[in-house]
Amino acid sequence: QKEVEQNSGPLSVPEGAIASLNCTYSDRVSQSFFWYRQYSGKSPELIMSIYSNGDKEDGRFTAQLNKASQYVSLLIRDSQPSDSATYLCAVNREGANSKLTFGKGITLSVRP
Amino acid sequence: EAGVAQSPRYKIIEKRQSVAFWCNPISGHATLYWYQQILGQGPKLLIQFQNNGVVDDSQLPKDRFSAERLKGVDSTLKIQPAKLEDSAVYLCASSRGNNEQFFGPGTRLTVL
Repeated sequence: QKEVEQNSGPLSVPEGAIASLNCTYSDRVSQSFFWYRQYSGKSPELIMSIYSNGDKEDGRFTAQLNKASQYVSLLIRDSQPSDSATYLCAVNREGANSKLTFGKGITLSVRP
Repeated sequence: EAGVAQSPRYKIIEKRQSVAFWCNPISGHATLYWYQQILGQGPKLLIQFQNNGVVDDSQLPKDRFSAERLKGVDSTLKIQPAKLEDSAVYLCASSRGNNEQFFGPGTRLTVL
């Protein structure tokens, strides 16, 4: 099983819809979870971080974490064409062996 | 606050040649990371520095890759000799501790 797994996509949604991006991870001691957005030809940009179970909202973005199910998701409300990008899920194990592990990413396309 | 700086932005070399990349992290960020991102995949950690000490270099191909951060600020990553499979984007990131990481623009390396 891959350490961080994302559905390969691509995911296509119409403008104004909710985009739901999912991620599962295998290491139960993971403590920190991040979503990065990467436009084509650009570097990853941190858009959300979440550390405890539940929801965290920031503007049109909501991150959801369920440690029991080893599942983290990102919801994008009122999707815009400018949200079209690859979204990378990243998981960090705290402590001396802390290392950020990335999923392969899922490409989102928002249709005008 | 200035972001992570990297140079060069693009580099084309022939196999068996050597190449070096430079990174200047965000001011005050003690932790510096080098990642390799192959097209269609998430970034893969090559080496992590805490100040000028190596924390993790378990995925660095040490027969050809080397990195240093002599004064705990700037860092260089070197490949010698380069192989075709080294063609990728090399990303530098920095963080205050072990949590939120911020990426530079990356160096796109093409090995012919």
